Amino acid sequence: NAGVTQTPKFQVLKTGQSMTLQCAQDMNHNSMYWYRQDPGMGLRLIYYSASEGTTDKGEVPNGYNVSRLNKREFSLRLESAAPSQTSVYFCASSVLAGSTDTQYFGPGTRLTVL
Amino acid sequence: QKEVEQNSGPLSVPEGAIASLNCTYSDRVSQSFFWYRQYSGKSPELIMSIYSNGDKEDGRFTAQLNKASQYVSLLIRDSQPSDSATYLCAVNGYSSASKIIFGSGTRLSIRP
Repeated sequence: NAGVTQTPKFQVLKTGQSMTLQCAQDMNHNSMYWYRQDPGMGLRLIYYSASEGTTDKGEVPNGYNVSRLNKREFSLRLESAAPSQTSVYFCASSVLAGSTDTQYFGPGTRLTVL
Repeated sequence: QKEVEQNSGPLSVPEGAIASLNCTYSDRVSQSFFWYRQYSGKSPELIMSIYSNGDKEDGRFTAQLNKASQYVSLLIRDSQPSDSATYLCAVNGYSSASKIIFGSGTRLSIRP
């Protein structure tokens, strides 16, 4: 099992460009999440999908959109990148979106917006 | 006030000693508490979860929860250089994963 995979690992964008971050899990988990991590800060939830076909906003959804393509895949799209979106992005998954459920994280995507 | 607060460190502990990491949270209805370890440039990995007051032990790690005082701690016994990492405290609300709030993390350095 590969667990949670993310592509790309690194990306540099210019302000105003768009891109999609891809995430896939092979653990048959129902729930998937997108976080961002900035220096000196913890992880902040952008969007999550409790189950296939549903998505909900987290703490910092502005400037992002998501798509739960199927049970395995959950993508994050930046329509018009801004320097404030420079960050490390982590995708995670869990069996269920319950309060006791363990989340498993992907390796991260380092995004720089110039 | 931050919802989940941790001392950013770095916390320097000699090899073989006990490392003590602390976390306080503001939401009294929080039910689930997690400690994640994150090596530099890597993703977080869960090392402990605790849901009820008291201590929970797993190998060299002990998580302690005190809901009345709204703090959770992590003790690492017989600290090893491989324990050098950032430790993230995470707190979950009553019913929804959308309420998971992470602290900013404590950097731990184990000196030989």
